[in-house]
Amino acid sequence: NAGVTQTPKFQVLKTGQSMTLQCAQDMNHNSMYWYRQDPGMGLRLIYYSASEGTTDKGEVPNGYNVSRLNKREFSLRLESAAPSQTSVYFCASIVRRGASGYTFGSGTRLTVV
Amino acid sequence: GENVEQHPSTLSVQEGDSAVIKCTYSDSASNYFPWYKQELGKGPQLIIDIRSNVGEKKDQRIAVTLNKTAKHFSLHITETQPEDSAVYFCAASRWILTGGGNKLTFGTGTQLKVEL
Repeated sequence: NAGVTQTPKFQVLKTGQSMTLQCAQDMNHNSMYWYRQDPGMGLRLIYYSASEGTTDKGEVPNGYNVSRLNKREFSLRLESAAPSQTSVYFCASIVRRGASGYTFGSGTRLTVV
Repeated sequence: GENVEQHPSTLSVQEGDSAVIKCTYSDSASNYFPWYKQELGKGPQLIIDIRSNVGEKKDQRIAVTLNKTAKHFSLHITETQPEDSAVYFCAASRWILTGGGNKLTFGTGTQLKVEL
């Protein structure tokens, strides 16, 4: 039981390049989330998916797109990376009738040069 | 939307002392307040949470208190140990048990250092 798995763990992109961050959970959770973490700013919600087939914007969605591929997988895409997107990205999930909070992945550290 | 403020940003204590981290929230409808611990290079991990119908909750050396009137909640760690050194985040949400897509708003984090 791996929980929430994120790939890759590290990535360096050039400005303008695109990439997709992958997230998969094996806990049969309904809702999935993408957060970014920046120094002094805590974790900010980018996009989330309340259930398979639905996605919604969070606090900082500009420059990102998401796909809820199936119940297990929720990917985050940067179409044209910018230095401002240098951050650590965390995926999280929770069962619908969650009695407790999120389960987080171990993060993807992205640097855009 | 919800806004969560967290203080202090850094906290240094001697081993065995107590540590207190405080958070305030803005949305009076928020009803769920979790605390997460993040170790270096890892994702945040839930350590304790409290709902608005409870004023205090304790789990061994950690406790959380909630003052709904003042809209603030605090994390208390007693008898601190070196392994308590980490970044701690508070969060708040209008948590709906029967619905999906519950969203947490996080504080900016507290770097706790427990010195020998």
